[in-house]
Amino acid sequence: SQQGEEDPQALSIQEGENATMNCSYKTSINNLQWYRQNSGRGLVHLILIRSNEREKHSGRLRVTLDTSKKSSSLLITASRAADTASYFCATDEWHNDMRFGAGTRLTVKP
Amino acid sequence: DGGITQSPKYLFRKEGQNVTLSCEQNLNHDAMYWYRQDPGQGLRLIYYSQIVNDFQKGDIAEGYSVSREKKESFPLTVTSAQKNPTAFYLCASSIVGRPQFFGPGTRLTVL
Repeated sequence: SQQGEEDPQALSIQEGENATMNCSYKTSINNLQWYRQNSGRGLVHLILIRSNEREKHSGRLRVTLDTSKKSSSLLITASRAADTASYFCATDEWHNDMRFGAGTRLTVKP
Repeated sequence: DGGITQSPKYLFRKEGQNVTLSCEQNLNHDAMYWYRQDPGQGLRLIYYSQIVNDFQKGDIAEGYSVSREKKESFPLTVTSAQKNPTAFYLCASSIVGRPQFFGPGTRLTVL
């Protein structure tokens, strides 16, 4: 069964704007990861945040984790047309297999 | 170059046929995974393996089989028992507990 649920399902913004995607999950986790997928391709790992961390940055990416609310957010700042892709959160539930959400489809218009 | 490869990129299957999808990695990862992705959907776990000669069922294992005879290889067989196999199949590998590296995927179509 899928663990993470991303919100919104689709997001369309102008280049230069910030994009925020949210992920909710149901059970206790070891860590939460965000991945990106270009259409018809494999997934690429973006960032991992552990259950004892609250915020993490990587370049233009900022991820937060609130374990009390079982939610995470991914913020992409100063978006570019090349950021157009689907973004998935995945939860590692302590037994080393991961559960992916259905993803947020981001479109960045030039 | 280190990486994970899948072949073929496109595969067509007739009703009642078994087909095998290849997944190879030279990253020296212990864990390997197979996922199925349907259009506009997330990934669903089919099987995973954390060590040679051992594997575990995921959420949708029915109609699929795997083997892990070598660390580098984790082939997936889609059997005739899988009633709706048309999908995009993704293989991944990782150090256990670490981020997964994905292959480019195989798109399977049933004719």
